[in-house]
Amino acid sequence: DQQVKQNSPSLSVQEGRISILNCDYTNSMFDYFLWYKKYPAEGPTFLISISSIKDKNEDGRFTVFLNKSAKHLSLHIVPSQPGDSAVYFCAAIGLSNAGGTSYGKLTFGQGTILTVHP
Amino acid sequence: NAGVTQTPKFQVLKTGQSMTLQCAQDMNHEYMSWYRQDPGMGLRLIHYSVGAGITDQGEVPNGYNVSRSTTEDFPLRLLSAAPSQTSVYFCASRSGGAGLQPQHFGDGTRLSIL
Repeated sequence: DQQVKQNSPSLSVQEGRISILNCDYTNSMFDYFLWYKKYPAEGPTFLISISSIKDKNEDGRFTVFLNKSAKHLSLHIVPSQPGDSAVYFCAAIGLSNAGGTSYGKLTFGQGTILTVHP
Repeated sequence: NAGVTQTPKFQVLKTGQSMTLQCAQDMNHEYMSWYRQDPGMGLRLIHYSVGAGITDQGEVPNGYNVSRSTTEDFPLRLLSAAPSQTSVYFCASRSGGAGLQPQHFGDGTRLSIL
């Protein structure tokens, strides 16, 4: 049972345009959501997060939007740059319900390969 | 600052062999975890630890063993390697502070079981 899903395996955009990566989840006990970026032969690195009490969090070119009612979040990258080309993982964690199956454990989506063309 | 260090980076094993993947962190983090990454599956949690002497199973624990005798080290043992364990393994750590503390990942161990 995939609790966090990234239904688009890949995304290709032109440099300077917006990249939108999507993520859906099923477990209502998740209360934090994160995006990680991964380059080949390296470990994932933390990019941006959002708490379930918010619907938007912005950090420079990166903005994460959360729609709790739809159990959907998205990562917007504006403007996209060739250096943004990587695999992006959506992840979720529950930190407020000790004893729940999601408590303290990070659950990842399958990842989306983003390619930004010059 | 080394962060999370994994060794070895690459390993080839024969079916039935055992080995230990090493993970060390120098950030004094309480939480440590092991994940495996397979095509189309994202990262799946194998085992995790919330402090020295405390470990628990993740999503895919079968065939793996862990122990946490020190805060710094969290080795992952394959007891009898199987081809299904061919994967890229990532170790991660994070602090146990209040709220969300993002995980720091090592660069991975690429393991092939023949």
